[in-house]
Amino acid sequence: DAGITQSPRHKVTETGTPVTLRCHQTENHRYMYWYRQDPGHGLRLIHYSYGVKDTDKGEVSDGYSVSRSKTEDFLLTLESATSSQTSVYFCAISVSDRRIYGYTFGSGTRLTVV
Amino acid sequence: GQQLNQSPQSMFIQEGEDVSMNCTSSSIFNTWLWYKQDPGEGPVLLIALYKAGELTSNGRLTAQFGITRKDSFLNISASIPSDVGIYFCAATIQGAQKLVFGQGTRLTINP
Repeated sequence: DAGITQSPRHKVTETGTPVTLRCHQTENHRYMYWYRQDPGHGLRLIHYSYGVKDTDKGEVSDGYSVSRSKTEDFLLTLESATSSQTSVYFCAISVSDRRIYGYTFGSGTRLTVV
Repeated sequence: GQQLNQSPQSMFIQEGEDVSMNCTSSSIFNTWLWYKQDPGEGPVLLIALYKAGELTSNGRLTAQFGITRKDSFLNISASIPSDVGIYFCAATIQGAQKLVFGQGTRLTINP
């Protein structure tokens, strides 16, 4: 079972403050992803990474940045949190680099921006 | 962009009933996946489909990759209380390494 952990699990922050969410994997997978989940929208891709320092935008990347300085860690930063960024954030890893056999997801971070 | 239209959005059924949900798109995909999400957890892969027309079962779950490559369905037979949750379809073009997800189907079971 792929080891993937997200931290924190819950966070409440104030509008305008920066927030960083962390995703950590233990199995050296190349591809990592950040999604947000909102009612009626399913899971939407924010950013993804295909290697150390290699990242690309997803469909809802505005207001978010990412960094991957080590294979095992993928950080998502909300540069100046807004109430519209209240959501559940999921990190995922792709268990194959050549064919998608499906992502493995973390347990999520519930972020509330007040 | 690519979108998956998943239906129904929610289902309320009696224990023991069969369940059917589907995903459609105007785009062609090479891989279809079905996930289940329990409350407070991330989605977990149920079934993966890689070939048009493929029919795959996993216990009481059966999924099919549509022949046009634009749709997929998931059936659950003889539902039980632990089937409660949100089911997501997902799809990708081979080599793209990015999944697109449907909006989810929330399944509620009355005992």
